[in-house]
Amino acid sequence: QKEVEQNSGPLSVPEGAIASLNCTYSDRGSQSFFWYRQYSGKSPELIMFIYSNGDKEDGRFTAQLNKASQYVSLLIRDSQPSDSATYLCAVSRSGGYNKLIFGAGTRLAVHP
Amino acid sequence: SAVISQKPSRDICQRGTSLTIQCQVDSQVTMMFWYRQQPGQSLTLIATANQGSEATYESGFVIDKFPISRPNLTFSTLTVSNMSPEDSSIYLCSVLGQGAGNTEAFFGQGTRLTVV
Repeated sequence: QKEVEQNSGPLSVPEGAIASLNCTYSDRGSQSFFWYRQYSGKSPELIMFIYSNGDKEDGRFTAQLNKASQYVSLLIRDSQPSDSATYLCAVSRSGGYNKLIFGAGTRLAVHP
Repeated sequence: SAVISQKPSRDICQRGTSLTIQCQVDSQVTMMFWYRQQPGQSLTLIATANQGSEATYESGFVIDKFPISRPNLTFSTLTVSNMSPEDSSIYLCSVLGQGAGNTEAFFGQGTRLTVV
């Protein structure tokens, strides 16, 4: 079992729709969860982080965390073609050591 | 977030040679991280570099192949030694954020390495 799992996609949504990206993780002791956006040929860019169960909203983005289910998701409202990218879920490894384990990423395609 | 500069941004190297990648941060940081992203894959942590001590390598990565230096709190280098085509990847330097959480990672622009 991979430590962080994501559906590779592509996830195709029409412009203006809600894109829902999902991620599960295996380390029950993980405390910090991150979503990165990576455009082709570019380095990852942090867009959201969440530490507590529940929802966290930032503009068009909402991160959702359920530690009991070991599940974290990212919702993108009013999706735009510029949101088309690969979205990487990252989870901090437990044990007080600040290093991240990345999922394989979900490719999102927003079509006009 | 810190400003992270990596160089070179890309290189094409002959197999059997070595390449040293530099990472410069505009503020002092305790830990610096080196990741590899192979074509079409996600990021894999190579090692963590702390100033004043030897780097800590992840499973599957060894110092002889990926020696790391960390001479001060703003600079690190990663060397890819005795390269083979399988080393063709993007190599990324990363530091942690300076905010309250201090756990989010920020990345340099990466070094795209092609080994021929």
